[in-house]
Amino acid sequence: DTGVSQDPRHKITKRGQNVTFRCDPISEHNRLYWYRQTLGQGPEFLTYFQNEAQLEKSRLLSDRFSAERPKGSFSTLEIQRTEQGDSAMYLCASSLITGEQYFGPGTRLTVT
Amino acid sequence: AQSVSQHNHHVILSEAASLELGCNYSYGGTVNLFWYVQYPGQHLQLLLKYFSGDPLVKGIKGFEAEFIKSKFSFNLRKPSVQWSDTAEYFCAVISYNTDKLIFGTGTRLQVFP
Repeated sequence: DTGVSQDPRHKITKRGQNVTFRCDPISEHNRLYWYRQTLGQGPEFLTYFQNEAQLEKSRLLSDRFSAERPKGSFSTLEIQRTEQGDSAMYLCASSLITGEQYFGPGTRLTVT
Repeated sequence: AQSVSQHNHHVILSEAASLELGCNYSYGGTVNLFWYVQYPGQHLQLLLKYFSGDPLVKGIKGFEAEFIKSKFSFNLRKPSVQWSDTAEYFCAVISYNTDKLIFGTGTRLQVFP
């Protein structure tokens, strides 16, 4: 399968713990995006990379959130000191510079 | 700030009925427009897109959408729906000066045999 993959698919954590998600984009895509989706809403943009450079961050991305794409391939999204409000589906997408975005299956985070 | 409005939150149709889902966006400049679909248990998939040219665009599975610039609209249509079209449909926009997708809240479509 050559689509976008995300790991883990589900994560349950206790409030205050740190979590890290991974996204592997389509191999030739140089752009990688993170979105968050809560129940009844469309995905909301968090941040995106072009190769290893993080080009834009949403104000939704508080100081507890950090994303990296160290070698311009896979990316990680870390949430520190999780809160119940962080419970959501975290989506990754990738694209060529001028192309449409292809989405992965998402990581569902539940903070108890 | 840019926004996307989808007027129908939940649509229920019988098979063979015609479908039209509304989408309006707020940005006045050059935009790229998309419809994504999420089938039950699956990830978001691109249904169709408009970048430029003919404002009537055709996508997969018999769907089409019409871009009407004067109305800031990009409505999705299908002449005859099937049970397999049951899914959630999201309209999204990218404006010229940004690269992030702005999504609407989605429309849940249920098609009954």
